[in-house]
Amino acid sequence: KNQVEQSPQSLIILEGKNCTLQCNYTVSPFSNLRWYKQDTGRGPVSLTIMTFSENTKSNGRYTATLDADTKQSSLHITASQLSDSASYICVGSGGSYIPTFGRGTSLIVHP
Amino acid sequence: DAGITQSPRHKVTETGTPVTLRCHQTENHRYMYWYRQDPGHGLRLIHYSYGVKDTDKGEVSDGYSVSRSKTEDFLLTLESATSSQTSVYFCAISDGDSYGYTFGSGTRLTVV
Repeated sequence: KNQVEQSPQSLIILEGKNCTLQCNYTVSPFSNLRWYKQDTGRGPVSLTIMTFSENTKSNGRYTATLDADTKQSSLHITASQLSDSASYICVGSGGSYIPTFGRGTSLIVHP
Repeated sequence: DAGITQSPRHKVTETGTPVTLRCHQTENHRYMYWYRQDPGHGLRLIHYSYGVKDTDKGEVSDGYSVSRSKTEDFLLTLESATSSQTSVYFCAISDGDSYGYTFGSGTRLTVV
């Protein structure tokens, strides 16, 4: 069974600090991994997508990495802002049109 | 969210009543999905569609049915709502895995 595990479950940081969120996936076959940001009361919005041949992708202050050998991904947020407070969801896909979602990491950025 | 709308945004209903949630897209995407999101569980797939009148069950389909009579509309029906179906429901669309998934803004359903 395909699985995506995220850690930590929740994280509190001060504004301006950096943080890294982790994702371990077991998705077979594997074609791509996405990170989504979900603001409170809204639907998830895509941040990055990486195929198995890519190992890093940036979107502004967000940088995602992928290690296809260890089946791990991380999302690094640089110089956090209050607007980064949200849930971050890791999603693995491959071989079908049914993606596998992680349960998300809840990030709170305090001023 | 661009090209996808859900209605209603909020609904309170009584146990045992039927409820229908609507997802409408203007993107002409082939795939449509219904998820529910609960604390501690993340997004769980209820039903999905891979074309007009082509639907299949997800991991939490019990108590739910769907219909897709047109490309643009995907309806989720709770035949007899129960308190365990209190949740936030999200619709998503996709034109294939390589193109990603676009989510609606969600419907918050409360069954009392």
